[in-house]
Amino acid sequence: KAGVTQTPRYLIKTRGQQVTLSCSPISGHRSVSWYQQTPGQGLQFLFEYFSETQRNKGNFPGRFSGRQFSNSRSEMNVSTLELGDSALYLCASSLQALNTEAFFGQGTRLTVV
Amino acid sequence: AQTVTQSQPEMSVQEAETVTLSCTYDTSENNYYLFWYKQPPSRQMILVIRQEAYKQQNATENRFSVNFQKAAKSFSLKISDSQLGDTAMYFCAFMKYFGNEKLTFGTGTRLTIIP
Repeated sequence: KAGVTQTPRYLIKTRGQQVTLSCSPISGHRSVSWYQQTPGQGLQFLFEYFSETQRNKGNFPGRFSGRQFSNSRSEMNVSTLELGDSALYLCASSLQALNTEAFFGQGTRLTVV
Repeated sequence: AQTVTQSQPEMSVQEAETVTLSCTYDTSENNYYLFWYKQPPSRQMILVIRQEAYKQQNATENRFSVNFQKAAKSFSLKISDSQLGDTAMYFCAFMKYFGNEKLTFGTGTRLTIIP
């Protein structure tokens, strides 16, 4: 069974640009969550989707957005990139509505220059 | 809002020894889950162990066990017979039982197993 797949693994973008990250959950999983990991702030929740509906959103500016497709794949978009957006972005999927066992992908390392 | 505190940024221990990682949390919730996640260098985060707050019995998974003290809001992880593969960042995490499907993480403990 394939794990959570995040693409791309590494990304370098310039300030002001926008970026789209992709997450393919484990087959059959309907919940996808996104987290931002930085040395200074640690792991912070971005948003969570279940069956194409955003159920929760963290305290991030509106430049951060996401969506989930009917096949449960999810994308997150960051517009007008800032240097502080440089981070490891982690996606996690789970089978049930209550994420008592989340499976994480390897993440996308975004560097903003 | 919930907070999770890990007071040990780094720890190291000799292979085969036992090590305990500390975690405290703050919440007004009565029903919730607590987790320990392991993030090896350059590899994905994996769930080590999970504890439901309504269960008094401490969770165990092979060499990993927890000491859950609900009144003290403490949730420590004990790793017995430590192995080189245990070298990783360990994160303590909290999740409410209903209505808020997000994990709130601590800042992590970097554990190094010395051969």
